[in-house]
Amino acid sequence: AQSVTQLGSHVSVSEGALVLLRCNYSSSVPPYLFWYVQYPNQGLQLLLKYTSAATLVKGINGFEAEFKKSETSFHLTKPSAHMSDAAEYFCAVSEGRDDKIIFGKGTRLHILP
Amino acid sequence: DGGITQSPKYLFRKEGQNVTLSCEQNLNHDAMYWYRQDPGQGLRLIYYSQIVNDFQKGDIAEGYSVSREKKESFPLTVTSAQKNPTAFYLCASSIGAGVYNEQFFGPGTRLTVL
Repeated sequence: AQSVTQLGSHVSVSEGALVLLRCNYSSSVPPYLFWYVQYPNQGLQLLLKYTSAATLVKGINGFEAEFKKSETSFHLTKPSAHMSDAAEYFCAVSEGRDDKIIFGKGTRLHILP
Repeated sequence: DGGITQSPKYLFRKEGQNVTLSCEQNLNHDAMYWYRQDPGQGLRLIYYSQIVNDFQKGDIAEGYSVSREKKESFPLTVTSAQKNPTAFYLCASSIGAGVYNEQFFGPGTRLTVL
């Protein structure tokens, strides 16, 4: 069965520093992977998705993620954090069955001035 | 503008009452979903529907019911059988069955039981 593990329920970085949010997945078939962002009291917005076309995926707001099959990872990075990046981030995996997507428990990103 | 709307944004309910949360989409998507979000638990799937007049239980369907009479609408009823209904509820949609497509989310409804 597919699953997602996000390491760290809270991550704090200084403004201008590198952002690294970790995601590991488990899947019995080549997966499709997603990163979503959620601002307080709002729905989820897609940041980027991996669909096997390229292992390095660029998304919105300067974020990118790299698919590493050998490590079963899909970590999210951004070179320089901005105060507006403070939000909760969800990694998700799909095996394409029943349209279901499995979400991780989320990582709340705090940006320190 | 295409998108997903949920109403109301905030909802208060007395114990023992049923309440219905609205979800409408004009994206022409076949599939729709309801999730419940609690702090630290991520999103948990309540019900999903791949096509009109058909729906399946998700991981936490007990105490909830849905209908899918129209393609654009997927209302969720929280019944009195749901023991702990206070949560943030999110509706989502995707293009359709058998395709690796992302889900698009509505703004959510925060339900509080008084």
